[in-house]
Amino acid sequence: AQTVTQSQPEMSVQEAETVTLSCTYDTSESDYYLFWYKQPPSRQMILVIRQEAYKQQNATENRFSVNFQKAAKSFSLKISDSQLGDAAMYFCASSGTYKYIFGTGTRLKVLA
Amino acid sequence: NAGVTQTPKFQVLKTGQSMTLQCAQDMNHNSMYWYRQDPGMGLRLIYYSASEGTTDKGEVPNGYNVSRLNKREFSLRLESAAPSQTSVYFCAIKGARLNTEAFFGQGTRLTVV
Repeated sequence: AQTVTQSQPEMSVQEAETVTLSCTYDTSESDYYLFWYKQPPSRQMILVIRQEAYKQQNATENRFSVNFQKAAKSFSLKISDSQLGDAAMYFCASSGTYKYIFGTGTRLKVLA
Repeated sequence: NAGVTQTPKFQVLKTGQSMTLQCAQDMNHNSMYWYRQDPGMGLRLIYYSASEGTTDKGEVPNGYNVSRLNKREFSLRLESAAPSQTSVYFCAIKGARLNTEAFFGQGTRLTVV
């Protein structure tokens, strides 16, 4: 079975501060990737960052980084120097051989 | 390049009516997916197709059928719509490699009254 769990329905962060969004997953696949997507009010889905399960080094993309703990099946997203444009729904996703499963999402509010 | 095109963008159905949501891609990707998005429920996988000629059930397949007509097209059919199927539906595509991102259509907002 393949599941993705996001336990924070909503988070708030002050502009310029740092916030961490949590995600846990479970999969029977031996090789898989994990992703974070951003969905602004336009409903467009935008890839934020991806992590290969076999890589111990955490992925980083500019202000976005992940904390990947494979043994704990945890994959959190850290957003540094938060900007007003970061306000959106954030989805964690797991990609196996065929299935692509998403979590329930975390709505991030950025306060000016 | 359109990427992933879904039609229609909006639809209102009466309970018991049927309809087909269409999805077409021009990126030559093998895998295609149908999701529904509901508040607090995230994106839930309805059906997916790993390649032309194959389809498989996802997390919430009841009440839906799909057809992978060819490599480009993957349709979702509601045979007898129910109010519980009111949702936003997304079609997505992905390449064969695990690390490839998914590309999404713009979504279809369906209301069943």
